[in-house]
Amino acid sequence: DAMVIQNPRYQVTQFGKPVTLSCSQTLNHNVMYWYQQKSSQAPKLLFHYYDKDFNNEADTPDNFQSRRPNTSFCFLDIRSPGLGDAAMYLCATSREQGRAHEQYFGPGTRLTVT
Amino acid sequence: AQTVTQSQPEMSVQEAETVTLSCTYDTSENNYYLFWYKQPPSRQMILVIRQEAYKQQNATENRFSVNFQKAAKSFSLKISDSQLGDTAMYFCAFYPGNQFYFGTGTSLTVIP
Repeated sequence: DAMVIQNPRYQVTQFGKPVTLSCSQTLNHNVMYWYQQKSSQAPKLLFHYYDKDFNNEADTPDNFQSRRPNTSFCFLDIRSPGLGDAAMYLCATSREQGRAHEQYFGPGTRLTVT
Repeated sequence: AQTVTQSQPEMSVQEAETVTLSCTYDTSENNYYLFWYKQPPSRQMILVIRQEAYKQQNATENRFSVNFQKAAKSFSLKISDSQLGDTAMYFCAFYPGNQFYFGTGTSLTVIP
């Protein structure tokens, strides 16, 4: 039973061409997260939504935007991808914020920039 | 600043043997959670085990257990009776209540 779904699993885009990655969840969780994970590195939090409240990490580039039109869906928009944006993008959810709540991860979207 | 360090980029273990993955973290927080996540090849990250910092007793989940040393800020994962399906990247994560901080991961290979 898929709980956090990411589409597509693999995405190729051209340098500077906008791209959107999508995430959906069947868990009805309040919090959704986007992480960037480069090879051999730890996942890096880009932003998260608590319900409709958007929280941007201080060092997330302006090139990255996010939308959450409803509880189930969250999108990551990269306005002008650069070669350095090639990475695995992970979506995660948690029921609430707080120390007890684990995160549930999707399978990730691997983005290639040509 | 919160940091998580996994000093073993790669490890291997014979099937049925025991292996320990190390993790240390740095924080000034007193109350937090620690997690180990497993990311099998081409599959999603899943929770292996969780430890509350205020609990002295080490968490255990079947073949997985932790050695939590709060004073030393150490949180190692022990996998007993290793199975081929344990082959994966393992991430240690620290959660003080605002966001997760991940280590760089340890790639574990279980050898038949």
